[in-house]
Amino acid sequence: EVQLVESGGGLVQPGGSLRLSCAASGFTFSNYWMSWVRQPPGKGLEWVANIKHDGSEKYYVDSVKGRFTISRDNAKNSLYLQMNSLRVEDTAMYFCARGHHGILYWGQGSLVTVSS
Amino acid sequence: QSALTQPASVSGSPGQSITISCTGTSSDVGGYNYVSWYQHHPGKAPKLMIYDVTNRPSGVSNRFSGSKSGNTASLTISGLQAEDEADYYCGSYTSNSLGVFGGGTKLTVL
Repeated sequence: EVQLVESGGGLVQPGGSLRLSCAASGFTFSNYWMSWVRQPPGKGLEWVANIKHDGSEKYYVDSVKGRFTISRDNAKNSLYLQMNSLRVEDTAMYFCARGHHGILYWGQGSLVTVSS
Repeated sequence: QSALTQPASVSGSPGQSITISCTGTSSDVGGYNYVSWYQHHPGKAPKLMIYDVTNRPSGVSNRFSGSKSGNTASLTISGLQAEDEADYYCGSYTSNSLGVFGGGTKLTVL
């Protein structure tokens, strides 16, 4: 059974940092692109970043470029999102997802709240 | 990286059919056959209903179907049921190698 379990969310002040992790199981992690998708409260889904199987390619939505870094450790079957210089508008539920289009498997989400 | 355009809401009675449109550009919807549709209930993970424009994942009812013409994709739900009430998002691969979603459509079953 495919499982994606996020962790690391929480409350952080504007300008602060947070690192999200996603533990994957039930499939060969190193064979798949992985993505982070977020949903701000009361708003729609937004694709944040994705990363190729081997980590050699990474892509970001313009609003997080230079502040967020997506990475992966295939030996640990884990996906990460390092979030720096956080802004109030980064407040959202962050989902880990398998693939980079047509996402079949999603985590349950990790809530990030940026507030003073 | 502009969001795809969807109607904010649609509604229909049980048994009826509804269609949700998703309009993008030649850099996303029109340029690739990688349009997908998701059903989303607040607080839960999105559920993939259609991928690669027309394909249904295993377990998804054949009442759900997808199509595309030019820069506009569509999701049709036939034989509406109360359980179909949810938010629906389209998504597409883009020329930036990052996905993009539509703004979401709230489906109300009357």
